[in-house]
Amino acid sequence: GQNIDQPTEMTATEGAIVQINCTYQTSGFNGLFWYQQHAGEAPTFLSYNVLDGLEEKGRFSSFLSRSKGYSYLLLKELQMKDSASYLCAVRVRHKLSFGAGTTVTVRA
Amino acid sequence: DGGITQSPKYLFRKEGQNVTLSCEQNLNHDAMYWYRQDPGQGLRLIYYSQIVNDFQKGDIAEGYSVSREKKESFPLTVTSAQKNPTAFYLCASSPGAGEETQYFGPGTRLLVL
Repeated sequence: GQNIDQPTEMTATEGAIVQINCTYQTSGFNGLFWYQQHAGEAPTFLSYNVLDGLEEKGRFSSFLSRSKGYSYLLLKELQMKDSASYLCAVRVRHKLSFGAGTTVTVRA
Repeated sequence: DGGITQSPKYLFRKEGQNVTLSCEQNLNHDAMYWYRQDPGQGLRLIYYSQIVNDFQKGDIAEGYSVSREKKESFPLTVTSAQKNPTAFYLCASSPGAGEETQYFGPGTRLLVL
């Protein structure tokens, strides 16, 4: 089976930076995705990493180290609307395996 | 507008009843997927289809069935054999089953009466 771990909850202040870590042990690797999911809604795509290094997209950045089985999602200049669950997912061949998600609460 | 639609938004099932959840996409995507989401757990793959008239079981297919008669449509039936069907069901699609990102529909919440 696939094992994908991420923290359950994180809290941060508006305007701050939060880093959500994801570690994985999978039977293969064809890329890592991060999704954002607001309560009761569909996950929306944030980022995709298949090679080692940092991918930056506005206030969101994602990092991957394949040798360490590790990724993080960095959220900068936090806004109240960033309060959501963040899902880490690893692609093995054509299937995605998801972590349980990290609920981020942004406080004023 | 292109996208993925799921209906209904809420669905109630009685004991012993089969119910069908609808998923339609107009993105011209070849691959479609069904996931189940339970509180505190990650999304789990129920079934997926890479092409019309073909589908494969995911990690938790027992008690579910699907069909893929049209490229645009991938309905999921929750049968009476599924003993714990209460969950949030999400349909997704991707251009192919390779490296492409999966895009999700708005979901259907299934509750048992």
